[in-house]
Amino acid sequence: DSGVTQTPKHLITATGQRVTLRCSPRSGDLSVYWYQQSLDQGLQFLIQYYNGEERAKGNILERFSAQQFPDLHSELNLSSLELGDSALYFCASSAGTQGANEKLFFGSGTQLSVL
Amino acid sequence: GQSLEQPSEVTAVEGAIVQINCTYQTSGFYGLSWYQQHDGGAPTFLSYNALDGLEETGRFSSFLSRSDSYGYLLLQELQMKDSASYFCAVRGAGNMLTFGGGTRLMVKP
Repeated sequence: DSGVTQTPKHLITATGQRVTLRCSPRSGDLSVYWYQQSLDQGLQFLIQYYNGEERAKGNILERFSAQQFPDLHSELNLSSLELGDSALYFCASSAGTQGANEKLFFGSGTQLSVL
Repeated sequence: GQSLEQPSEVTAVEGAIVQINCTYQTSGFYGLSWYQQHDGGAPTFLSYNALDGLEETGRFSSFLSRSDSYGYLLLQELQMKDSASYFCAVRGAGNMLTFGGGTRLMVKP
């Protein structure tokens, strides 16, 4: 158990809909990352937050947005869903301090299926 | 931008040694990490190299050459449970932690 909690584990929805994925980082970790993994693909970086502020942004679609709340949990919002958005979405956390920043702890992921 | 290249598949037998290479291109460099992911599971951290040289952790070692933009993960005394995907990752300019496409390691008896 990594200590990172993601909910829900599975999500089935229809095209055009909007969903929210939730992530609680490990206790004490200030950085939260979101990654997308499609079938047999690598991990595509979406966005990183550090202590509530956006720290880095990858190829995140405009239809996607995220935020980190004062209690450090994070939410990833996906809207106007398309079939191609079906993927495993991972949240990860790290201490955020230099050196320790590189060790990411991943949650078990949310499997999103868009039908 | 950042890009990483690693072989898509490697096969080895139980008890053997296998090396998974990773070359990267990045503007700015803060280190090379390695992660393991079993099918259906989440990635787990294996190692991190910020400086040139070899880091050893049990049966696993990781090497970095910053001048060559190259690193590798060395797995010794392979076990069946080592069958998994292995990802290298770099943090570069913009603070993005970018992962390679992953190497699927199959360990055969």
